[in-house]
Amino acid sequence: KAGVTQTPRYLIKTRGQQVTLSCSPISGHRSVSWYQQTPGQGLQFLFEYFSETQRNKGNFPGRFSGRQFSNSRSEMNVSTLELGDSALYLCASRDGGLPPSGANVLTFGAGSRLTVL
Amino acid sequence: AQKVTQAQTEISVVEKEDVTLDCVYETRDTTYYLFWYKQPPSGELVFLIRRNSFDEQNEISGRYSWNFQKSTSSFNFTITASQVVDSAVYFCALSEGYNNNDMRFGAGTRLTVKP
Repeated sequence: KAGVTQTPRYLIKTRGQQVTLSCSPISGHRSVSWYQQTPGQGLQFLFEYFSETQRNKGNFPGRFSGRQFSNSRSEMNVSTLELGDSALYLCASRDGGLPPSGANVLTFGAGSRLTVL
Repeated sequence: AQKVTQAQTEISVVEKEDVTLDCVYETRDTTYYLFWYKQPPSGELVFLIRRNSFDEQNEISGRYSWNFQKSTSSFNFTITASQVVDSAVYFCALSEGYNNNDMRFGAGTRLTVKP
């Protein structure tokens, strides 16, 4: 079974630009979550999508958005990039359904490392 | 509010030593899940274990063992006979409720195992 795939793995942007990151979950997983990892703030939850709907959202400004497609693939977008957005963005997937299906065990991808100059 | 504290920022041991990584959590929920993840240099978080709040049984998996104590709100992780391949950052995490994906991670403990 293929794992969680994130693209691109590395990217460099300048302040004010926008960026789109992609995540393909494990086949059969309907829930996709995004996390931001920085040295200063650690791992922080961005949002979760399940069946194309945002189910939960962390405490991030509206510049951070996401969506999920009918095949469960997800994208996240950051607009008007700031230096502080430099981070490793991790995507994670899980079944997301009702018990007893593998409750909330997240499988993570390798991440997309964004550098904002 | 949920919170996870990993007081040990970095630990360095010599191969074959035993090492314990501490994790203390805070939550008001009676139903919650605790996790340990390993992050090697490649960046991918690797799931190690999940415990729910109703199961305080300790668990052993090979050289890894976990001690869950609700009385002290701790979920500690011990590696026995450490190996160089165990070098990584280890994260403890807490998720309240059953289907909540808003996992709160601790700051992580960087473990270095020297040959």
